[in-house]
Amino acid sequence: QSALTQPASVSGSPGQSITISCTGTSSDVGGYTYVSWYQQHPGKAPKLMIYDVSNRPSGVSNRFSGSKSGNTASLTISGLQAEDEADYYCSSYTSSSTRVFGGGTKLTVL
Amino acid sequence: QVQLVQSGAEVKKPGASVRVSCKASGYTFTSYYIHWVRQAPGQGLEWMGIINPSGGSTTYAQKFQGRVTMTRDTSTSTVYMELSSLRSEDTAVYYCARGYYDSRFWGQGTLVTVSS
Repeated sequence: QSALTQPASVSGSPGQSITISCTGTSSDVGGYTYVSWYQQHPGKAPKLMIYDVSNRPSGVSNRFSGSKSGNTASLTISGLQAEDEADYYCSSYTSSSTRVFGGGTKLTVL
Repeated sequence: QVQLVQSGAEVKKPGASVRVSCKASGYTFTSYYIHWVRQAPGQGLEWMGIINPSGGSTTYAQKFQGRVTMTRDTSTSTVYMELSSLRSEDTAVYYCARGYYDSRFWGQGTLVTVSS
């Protein structure tokens, strides 16, 4: 199972919006509505930001949103804030009943 | 509150095995699956496998088949991950995480260092 494809890095200024893509195949991202997104700050455990493509856990800011089209899922962060600077990972359920992560995207807030 | 507390850091020699524990509290242990995910230094997250604490069934990533074993002890609400035939590339932080399709709760991570 190959890792999902994410851009290595994205950047944006405070207040702007950014989008991180996550491309898989019909055996993972494209085949199921079980795509999730995690935020990870250095030295910390990952934090769930989006589940089931577009749902936010309680306590997660509504500045974070998710979507999917075909084999590509996306995470959008609007109104960028300094504390959003972190690594972001997508994850998907697969046809083998396994899970697969993306390679991760480093978000820099300029 | 839900907590997953992992065992402490380990240093192992190449070829050895390591067992990492993950003790759950604050919820019904047998009601939620547990994943194991690892992260090598400066690298991304890598899914290793999942265990159903209720019946003990497991699914492993193909990469780790034959080398990883996940078990559980319902009497202590603890899940274990054992990785054998360790090599330097297995140096990583190992996390347990609760959930099935996604994971809202994570352990604090256990650093496993493989070095001669």
